[in-house]
Amino acid sequence: AQSVTQPDIHITVSEGASLELRCNYSYGATPYLFWYVQSPGQGLQLLLKYFSGDTLVQGIKGFEAEFKRSQSSFNLRKPSVHWSDAAEYFCAVGRSGYSTLTFGKGTMLLVSP
Amino acid sequence: NAGVTQTPKFQVLKTGQSMTLQCAQDMNHEYMSWYRQDPGMGLRLIHYSVGAGITDQGEVPNGYNVSRSTTEDFPLRLLSAAPSQTSVYFCASSYATNEKLFFGSGTQLSVL
Repeated sequence: AQSVTQPDIHITVSEGASLELRCNYSYGATPYLFWYVQSPGQGLQLLLKYFSGDTLVQGIKGFEAEFKRSQSSFNLRKPSVHWSDAAEYFCAVGRSGYSTLTFGKGTMLLVSP
Repeated sequence: NAGVTQTPKFQVLKTGQSMTLQCAQDMNHEYMSWYRQDPGMGLRLIHYSVGAGITDQGEVPNGYNVSRSTTEDFPLRLLSAAPSQTSVYFCASSYATNEKLFFGSGTQLSVL
């Protein structure tokens, strides 16, 4: 069975500083990998998705993620964080041929002034 | 285009009561699913459907029933609510496998 680990429950970053959120996955085949963001009281919004091709994926809101097969990782990055980026971030993996996802437990991003 | 609509947004139940969480999408998506979100647990899959008349269990199906009589609707039924079912429930849909999930805004359920 597939699984996702997000090692950091909370991360605090100063506004304007760079951000990296960690995600490790377990899946026997080539994974479909996603990052979603959830603002308080809201549903989830897709930031970006990876399946194949270029291992550096660009998403919305200035986010990017890098797939590293050797490390089973799919870390999310942003060069300069804005206060509006404060939210909970979820990494997820999908099995080939399925519409459902297995989510990590999430990382709460706090942005300090 | 409304997307995925969930009703109600909030609900309080007493232990043993039954209720149905409604989910409707207007995007003609074949694939629909229900997740529950608990603090520190992420989202966990309850049930999913790959088309009208076809449903299957996810990771945490106990205590929940689903049916899919139309492409648009995918209701989630709690037959006898328990405090352990206190959670936020999200419905999602997608137009194909391994594609983006469109999420509803969620239903916050409390079982006393």
